[in-house]
Amino acid sequence: EIVLTQSPGTLSLSPGERATLSCRASQSVSSAYLAWYQQKPGQAPRLLIYGASNRATGIPDRFSGSGSGTDFTLTISRLEPEDFAVFYCQLYGDSPLFTFGPGTKVD
Amino acid sequence: QVQLVQSGAEVKKPGASVKVSCKASGYTFISYDINWVRQATGQGLEWMGWMSPHHGNTGYAEKFQGRVTMTRDTSITTAYMELSGLKSEDTAVYYCVRALNVGGRPFDPWGQGTLVTVSS
Repeated sequence: EIVLTQSPGTLSLSPGERATLSCRASQSVSSAYLAWYQQKPGQAPRLLIYGASNRATGIPDRFSGSGSGTDFTLTISRLEPEDFAVFYCQLYGDSPLFTFGPGTKVD
Repeated sequence: QVQLVQSGAEVKKPGASVKVSCKASGYTFISYDINWVRQATGQGLEWMGWMSPHHGNTGYAEKFQGRVTMTRDTSITTAYMELSGLKSEDTAVYYCVRALNVGGRPFDPWGQGTLVTVSS
């Protein structure tokens, strides 16, 4: 079973700053199978990035994803007030079919 | 627009079963798998399983094997998730999600969530 680790657990930043979130897999994975989600308090998660670097429909271009192998990154170029949330990475794998990381809170 | 609307909150006693519904609209229901994900209060996301609305095929996470059943009614474009043998640890928000037909099968959109509380 592949385990996803996210760091840091909490990222304390201010609006306008750059956010860099890390997702690390316990073994090499296909970048095509790595996605990122944003969850605001009291809301369902929403898809931000799929295939490691493809923005989902309607996602602003200040969100970008990169990485390969075991190390993946979600970058928010300039934080807007509405971007403060918890971010999860997700892997499409074998068993289990889908795995989520523990999340990074940006506050 | 593409939308998944779930049934309302439930309160159940330990040992009981709960069945959550997920009404899909705005797209061809049978063309996309439906997955279920749960989230305990203040915790992360946990994948439970998938179902193909077209064939009714299912696949469940090992943790839920024998306790979860995912079904659908294509005539009303609705998916269901039934969890039996409820324990207090099953208290969580349960989400239905559509899996996109691209590599990695990312989840979009998500239903609004259904809170299931298990308490004696």
